[in-house]
Amino acid sequence: ETGVTQSPTHLIKTRGQQVTLRCSSQSGHNTVSWYQQALGQGPQFIFQYYREEENGRGNFPPRFSGLQFPNYSSELNVNALELDDSALYLCASSSASHQETQYFGPGTRLLVL
Amino acid sequence: GEDVEQSLFLSVREGDSSVINCTYTDSSSTYLYWYKQEPGAGLQLLTYIFSNMDMKQDQRLTVLLNKKDKHLSLRIADTQTGDSAIYFCAESPGAGSYQLTFGKGTKLSVIP
Repeated sequence: ETGVTQSPTHLIKTRGQQVTLRCSSQSGHNTVSWYQQALGQGPQFIFQYYREEENGRGNFPPRFSGLQFPNYSSELNVNALELDDSALYLCASSSASHQETQYFGPGTRLLVL
Repeated sequence: GEDVEQSLFLSVREGDSSVINCTYTDSSSTYLYWYKQEPGAGLQLLTYIFSNMDMKQDQRLTVLLNKKDKHLSLRIADTQTGDSAIYFCAESPGAGSYQLTFGKGTKLSVIP
């Protein structure tokens, strides 16, 4: 059974650019959540997808958007990057029968210059 | 809004027990979690407890929940150098909303 994978591992962008981060869920998991972890902080919930629909959103502006695909993989898109978007972006997946247990991927570290 | 508080640092000697504490404010929290993060890595789910439980034990880990005081603790018995990491407390309301609210993490340093 493969765990949650994310790509790329590291990324450098400049202010104003757009970025797409990718996540493959753990096998059998149909729910994906995205979190942003700034340096020295705990992760902050961005949004969750279930059956390709957004199923809850945290306090993030609309320039943070996502997609979930029929194979349950997911993308996080961030437009008009700001310096404060520099963070570790974590994806977590869970199954429909055990939504209370979320398993995290290794994350994508984004640096905005 | 929901808030989860943890002390930032804890230092223990190898072989001793570690106790990491957490308080939360959301009385509707249904699930409470402990995650471990090693440097440069993602989060590893260590254990979680349902709000109608007082205690959960899993090998070297013991979780205690005082729902009245909204206090959660994680005890690690016989702490090893490999336990050095940041430990995050988190809560979720459950019942259709499983978004996790995390504390800032407690950095555990184990002295050989």
